[in-house]
Amino acid sequence: QKEVEQNSGPLSVPEGAIASLNCTYSDRGSQSFFWYRQYSGKSPELIMSIYSNGDKEDGRFTAQLNKASQYVSLLIRDSQPSDSATYLCAVGSTLGRLYFGRGTQLTVWP
Amino acid sequence: GAVVSQHPSRVICKSGTSVKIECRSLDFQATTMFWYRQFPKQSLMLMATSNEGSKATYEQGVEKDKFLINHASLTLSTLTVTSAHPEDSSFYICSARDLGGKTSNEKLFFGSGTQLSVL
Repeated sequence: QKEVEQNSGPLSVPEGAIASLNCTYSDRGSQSFFWYRQYSGKSPELIMSIYSNGDKEDGRFTAQLNKASQYVSLLIRDSQPSDSATYLCAVGSTLGRLYFGRGTQLTVWP
Repeated sequence: GAVVSQHPSRVICKSGTSVKIECRSLDFQATTMFWYRQFPKQSLMLMATSNEGSKATYEQGVEKDKFLINHASLTLSTLTVTSAHPEDSSFYICSARDLGGKTSNEKLFFGSGTQLSVL
């Protein structure tokens, strides 16, 4: 299994704040990176995908990738209580395989 | 969007019995499907890659004789947990790869998961 590490959390932020989630990976040859949101007992839901160095924005979400540092992050702006969930970082491998980090539990309090 | 159906959603069985979990792609053909296992508050761990018409590819440390995978058609993969024991209790999730048409990108879709409890 390829190693994917996430900051341990849990992370707690007030409503309206920016939540910052971080992830590092071990395989320098990795080319595809994903952030998933998962609620307890449910399957993961894709939030963002990123393939190139730099930032990618989608609404309140911004993914950042730095391949030289083997680092991926997810920023959630204007956090809402409905954003409370576990966020999984995943690194893609050949043939569609994904390797996931342990996840960071985010709580947004009103 | 594409849907992956996983069944059953929850199963309770006695130790020593075998349990079969089905994963179906409902509106696309999936030559490749994936099986993951997730223990409470742990990450999804890739167990194996299921290949239509050929043997599954197992990740290191996963017992192929214990977790039997069959991918007999382009829309169905099954995972059988043989001689289940309490330590096999976990959340099992499948995903299927939709290679898409000429104008769409490859996408990965997850089933809803199966919670297995072995008594």
